[in-house]
Amino acid sequence: KAGVTQTPRYLIKTRGQQVTLSCSPISGHRSVSWYQQTPGQGLQFLFEYFSETQRNKGNFPGRFSGRQFSNSRSEMNVSTLELGDSALYLCASSLLSRGLIGNTEAFFGQGTRLTVV
Amino acid sequence: AQKITQTQPGMFVQEKEAVTLDCTYDTSDPSYGLFWYKQPSSGEMIFLIYQGSYDQQNATEGRYSLNFQKARKSANLVISASQLGDSAMYFCAMREGGGSQGNLIFGKGTKLSVKP
Repeated sequence: KAGVTQTPRYLIKTRGQQVTLSCSPISGHRSVSWYQQTPGQGLQFLFEYFSETQRNKGNFPGRFSGRQFSNSRSEMNVSTLELGDSALYLCASSLLSRGLIGNTEAFFGQGTRLTVV
Repeated sequence: AQKITQTQPGMFVQEKEAVTLDCTYDTSDPSYGLFWYKQPSSGEMIFLIYQGSYDQQNATEGRYSLNFQKARKSANLVISASQLGDSAMYFCAMREGGGSQGNLIFGKGTKLSVKP
């Protein structure tokens, strides 16, 4: 069974540009969450998608957005990049569904390391 | 207030010895799950072990066990017989309740170094 696949693995962008990151969850998983990891702030939740709907959102500016497709693949977009957006972006997929108590493990991809220069 | 607290920024352990990584949590939700993840230098978060708030027994997965003390709100990870490959960052995380609350809340992590 294939794991969570994130592309690209590494990315270098210039301030002001925009970037799109992709995440393919484990087959059958309908929940996809995105996290940002930086040395200063640690791991912070960005948003979660379930069945193409954003179900939960963290405390990030509107420059950060995402979407999920009917095949559960998800993309996140960051517009007008800032130096502080340099981070490891991790995607997690799980079977978690509405009504299920919150104890389903999440499987992570290897992440996309974004560097903004 | 932090929901997940890992008080040990770094830990050293001798190969083949056991080590305990501390984690305390804060929630008023009676239904929650506690997780431990390992993150090697490659960046991938590797799921290690899970403990549900209603589970009566401490979780175990191979060399990993979770010392769950609900009244103290602690969920310490015990790694037995440490191996050099265990050197990594370890994160404790919590997921609260059900319904639409799906995100994991992470601690700051503990860097474990295993010495030969």
